[in-house]
Amino acid sequence: QVQLQQSGPGLVKPSQTLSLTCAISGDSVSSNSAAWNWIRQSPSRGLEWLGRTYYRSKWFNDYAVSVKSRLTINPDTSKNQFSLQLNSVTPEDTAVYYCARISDYIGAIDYWGQGTLVTVSS
Amino acid sequence: QSVLTQPPSASGTPGQRVTISCSGSSSNIGSNTVNWYQHLPGTAPKLLIYSNNQRPSGVPDRFSGSKSGTSASLAISGLQSEDEADYYCAAWDDSLNVFVVFGGGTKLTVL
Repeated sequence: QVQLQQSGPGLVKPSQTLSLTCAISGDSVSSNSAAWNWIRQSPSRGLEWLGRTYYRSKWFNDYAVSVKSRLTINPDTSKNQFSLQLNSVTPEDTAVYYCARISDYIGAIDYWGQGTLVTVSS
Repeated sequence: QSVLTQPPSASGTPGQRVTISCSGSSSNIGSNTVNWYQHLPGTAPKLLIYSNNQRPSGVPDRFSGSKSGTSASLAISGLQSEDEADYYCAAWDDSLNVFVVFGGGTKLTVL
C-alpha cells in the first residue's frame, strides 16, 4: 500500500517561497512506472495540476504553464521523497496542496497525500 | 474555472441510482480516458474509476463509469448514506499548457 505523507508550513508571507515535502512509503521516487505530482485546490481555481517529476533512465520534470516560471519540483532519492518550491507567492497561491502518484499501469492518479492548507498572508 | 464541466450538486435517496456528468473537449475527454474520484473533506481523494470504466480493487460495483465523445458519466446505484461526498472527474489533456485537467466537482447529497 502506497502512502504519501506531506509536511511543510501552513503560512507563507507574500513574495516568499512556499516549500512542501512529500515522503513516499510503499514505492520509490525512482520508480520507472510512476510519476510524482503536485496538485492544488482553491475555491477560485478548483483542482489544478501544477507539475510532476519522474525517472525513466534519467529525471524529467513537467510544469503547468501557469506556474512554470516559479515552480521547482525535486526528487530526493536518499529520503525517498519529493518536494515543491513555489517562488514569489501571492494570496492567489492560497490553496490546499496535494502530492499524488500517477501509475503508468492504470494511467491515473491512484494515491494522494492528505493535503496541506497553505495560506499566503502577511 | 475548471476545464471539465460538472454539475455543482446532485442528490438522491437511499437505494436510488444517480448519475454525474462531466463534459470536456477534443483535447482532453475526446482523446483520452477519464478518471473519477471521491473526496470527503479533510481526507485524501480516492480513485473510484480509471480508464473510463475500470474499478480499482476494493471499489464496490455500485460505482460505474462511461464515456462518449467529449463527455463522461459516473453512475452510483443502490445509493448509500456513506456515498455523500464530492466527486471529481479528471482526464489527461493534449494541450501544451497542462498535463491533467479536472472537473469542478459535484457535491452528492443523500437525502
